[in-house]
Amino acid sequence: EADIYQTPRYLVIGTGKKITLECSQTMGHDKMYWYQQDPGMELHLIHYSYGVNSTEKGDLSSESTVSRIRTEHFPLTLESARPSHTSQYLCASGEETQYFGPGTRLLVL
Amino acid sequence: AQTVTQSQPEMSVQEAETVTLSCTYDTSESDYYLFWYKQPPSRQMILVIRQEAYKQQNATENRFSVNFQKAAKSFSLKISDSQLGDAAMYFCAFLADGLTFGKGTHLIIQP
Repeated sequence: EADIYQTPRYLVIGTGKKITLECSQTMGHDKMYWYQQDPGMELHLIHYSYGVNSTEKGDLSSESTVSRIRTEHFPLTLESARPSHTSQYLCASGEETQYFGPGTRLLVL
Repeated sequence: AQTVTQSQPEMSVQEAETVTLSCTYDTSESDYYLFWYKQPPSRQMILVIRQEAYKQQNATENRFSVNFQKAAKSFSLKISDSQLGDAAMYFCAFLADGLTFGKGTHLIIQP
């Protein structure tokens, strides 16, 4: 089972601020993922990576960007946060089976 | 594109009873993985059980088992001897590039 960490757990921020949500895992998984979970609980894939220097957009269009410079680290960045970005963001890693981090709950005022 | 459908927004079961959560999916793939995850009120997503499509035998994990019907594209989860700690949102998911999730079933355990 993966150890996967996300920081911060909660973030309240004003419109227009740049934010980075951190995700790291200690199991050496090549594959990592970001999901967005809306208040209705639906989850949508927004980004994924199959390894260092590999990033792809997911099913749900997102204004966020990601990078994968190290295997264990997969940060997500919003250059200019807006209230429509308010959501929970879940990071996951794993090959066939994905293991999830605790999530970051983002509130943009 | 794959789709996953959970037709039961909410289910309620008495403690110690058995409950079955439904899931259907649509795909043109022949080899794939299916999962059930639970998300308790604390919100961390936890793997419950997984099924490889090439395996005919239904997966089981202690009190949790699945009924995998590949031809019908059905993947239901049975929870036996329900416990208060089973209360959570349950998501059925299909693995493609990432996971495609159903909308979830809110499971309530009545003491």
